[in-house]
Amino acid sequence: DIQMTQSPSSLSASVGDRVTITCRASQGIGTFLAWYQQKPGKVPNLLIYGASTVQSGVPSRFSGSASGTHFTLIISSLHPEDVATYYCQQYSSAPVTFGQGTRLEIK
Amino acid sequence: QLQLQESGPGLVKPSETLSLTCTVSGGSISTRNYYWGWIRQPPGKGLEWIGNIYYSGNTYYNPSLKSRVTISVDTSNNHFSLKLGSVTAADTAMYYCARLPQVDWYFDLWGRGALVSVSS
Repeated sequence: DIQMTQSPSSLSASVGDRVTITCRASQGIGTFLAWYQQKPGKVPNLLIYGASTVQSGVPSRFSGSASGTHFTLIISSLHPEDVATYYCQQYSSAPVTFGQGTRLEIK
Repeated sequence: QLQLQESGPGLVKPSETLSLTCTVSGGSISTRNYYWGWIRQPPGKGLEWIGNIYYSGNTYYNPSLKSRVTISVDTSNNHFSLKLGSVTAADTAMYYCARLPQVDWYFDLWGRGALVSVSS
């Protein structure tokens, strides 16, 4: 199975900050990577697929990028409603696998 | 607007079989464009893919659960189902059904989830 490792596991940032969350794949997955946001007590919501394609309806402050086996989710300016746990997921090969999650809090 | 809704018992005894159904409303499950899948999330933990099914009945399972999992589809009633056998406390989780594009297996639409506890 392909292992997905996210960093950091948790972070605290201030409103307006630029936030970066990283996901590393244990082997090459091309751009077959998705990012999800899960607010407390809620259902995961697709933010980005194809490593950098923003899902319809997702605010433009969210973006994604890829470099080899390293993937990045960027929130350009943190809003209070962005408090959530963020997960990456590879779908290059079965079984699809998720990162362990990054918990984002407001400082 | 397409919606997914999980249903089934919230409590299952150890060694028994967990059964859930996902009803698709606002659209047809018999579409060539999508797979239908199950994901679970133990309390306070991360996400685990269980398996997918196509409207034709083709299935794909996570090898870690394959020996205990069966996913089936009922196109006439527009729903698909999950059965997980020989459950233990480790199977206690929120179970989500979701939709996946046929070509790329990310989850673009989720049900609200069903919490299933395994306890005697």
